[in-house]
Amino acid sequence: GAVVSQHPSWVICKSGTSVKIECRSLDFQATTMFWYRQFPKQSLMLMATSNEGSKATYEQGVEKDKFLINHASLTLSTLTVTSAHPEDSSFYICSAIVGTLDYNEQFFGPGTRLTVL
Amino acid sequence: AQKVTQAQTEISVVEKEDVTLDCVYETRDTTYYLFWYKQPPSGELVFLIRRNSFDEQNEISGRYSWNFQKSTSSFNFTITASQVVDSAVYFCALSERGFQKLVFGTGTRLLVSP
Repeated sequence: GAVVSQHPSWVICKSGTSVKIECRSLDFQATTMFWYRQFPKQSLMLMATSNEGSKATYEQGVEKDKFLINHASLTLSTLTVTSAHPEDSSFYICSAIVGTLDYNEQFFGPGTRLTVL
Repeated sequence: AQKVTQAQTEISVVEKEDVTLDCVYETRDTTYYLFWYKQPPSGELVFLIRRNSFDEQNEISGRYSWNFQKSTSSFNFTITASQVVDSAVYFCALSERGFQKLVFGTGTRLLVSP
């Protein structure tokens, strides 16, 4: 199956700093990638849809100026958490789409655990 | 609007017991897809099954089976003869035709004790 990687796997940063998380499709090209956030013991919530070469589409309630998404190539999308605060501590998961005739398969990355001190 | 409800927050069973995880969904679309994912403590999502709205056949894969009933908008998941390795959080999810994003349920934490 298609492989999606994320880097880093975990990161600890100080409040006020910015953190960049990378999502890569390793063996396929993905025109669309999604970013999800999961707080401890909660469900996954979609943050934004990232399309190659265009601006990301953010879900209601997600601050686009705080969570910057760049999808510069067909294999890479980045999520930058700007001026991170402790409440941004969460598990961030990306996914990438592979199109088929009848359905677009979605493959998930392993996630990035962010802790903001 | 789409919605997925997993009423069972946590289930504890003893190894070899059968266990059913419930999933009820809401959607206005006639074409949609339902999923089950497993999330072990490592956090990585493991795909288990996808079912489209036109295929109501039940499916069995080893110890896993799924019961899809459109009449009750349910897509339940049964693990037969549970094992300790089945301990994880299980998510049911829904996507509508033309929309690739997934709406997840709140998850059911399954704890299988030896």
